[in-house]
Amino acid sequence: GAGVSQSPSNKVTEKGKDVELRCDPISGHTALYWYRQSLGQGLEFLIYFQGNSAPDKSGLPSDRFSAERTGGSVSTLTIQRTQQEDSAVYLCASSLVPSEAFFGQGTRLTVV
Amino acid sequence: AQSVAQPEDQVNVAEGNPLTVKCTYSVSGNPYLFWYVQYPNRGLQFLLKYITGDNLVKGSYGFEAEFNKSQTSFHLKKPSALVSDSALYFCAVRDKTNDYKLSFGAGTTVTVRA
Repeated sequence: GAGVSQSPSNKVTEKGKDVELRCDPISGHTALYWYRQSLGQGLEFLIYFQGNSAPDKSGLPSDRFSAERTGGSVSTLTIQRTQQEDSAVYLCASSLVPSEAFFGQGTRLTVV
Repeated sequence: AQSVAQPEDQVNVAEGNPLTVKCTYSVSGNPYLFWYVQYPNRGLQFLLKYITGDNLVKGSYGFEAEFNKSQTSFHLKKPSALVSDSALYFCAVRDKTNDYKLSFGAGTTVTVRA
């Protein structure tokens, strides 16, 4: 596609349920990033991928969070047993290194 | 470790006045530097980048930034601000020794008053 695509755009889930967030990066981009943004706040780094490997998972808030990337393309961020503090906008970006990263529109997650 | 600091949470300027948004960075090698803008309820948009070459880089919407290696800074500037420039601005850095990892500053909210 022409840009980074994230799905769903909005997700409302009940506390304790698992959710999967999907990111389709720009074709050919080797780097893929996940960030989290609370309302009007900064970007919280979660994880990044070089191809299919994730050299830095230090930003994942807890072991309830995991991410994978397959075929050097699509990535999925999974949150297990969601909590209300997980509510935020989850942003995905991709890039050709060392050029700029392009961001998707994000997934707004609300845990009720 | 690499990091980015945006020392001002908010910047307020009058329309037509110069706008400066500050950014300093810390990397172990040479940096790649970026500025992004986020308008209300919108995604992040790329403004400009420094990869190599001329220290003064020009970007979208009349913005420019100057790479200063001795001061480890990459301040964003616009000679004459518009009300429509009101947004949240982020500085970001990559380290050439680990050029995949992309770190962002905390963001600066710019308000331009008419």
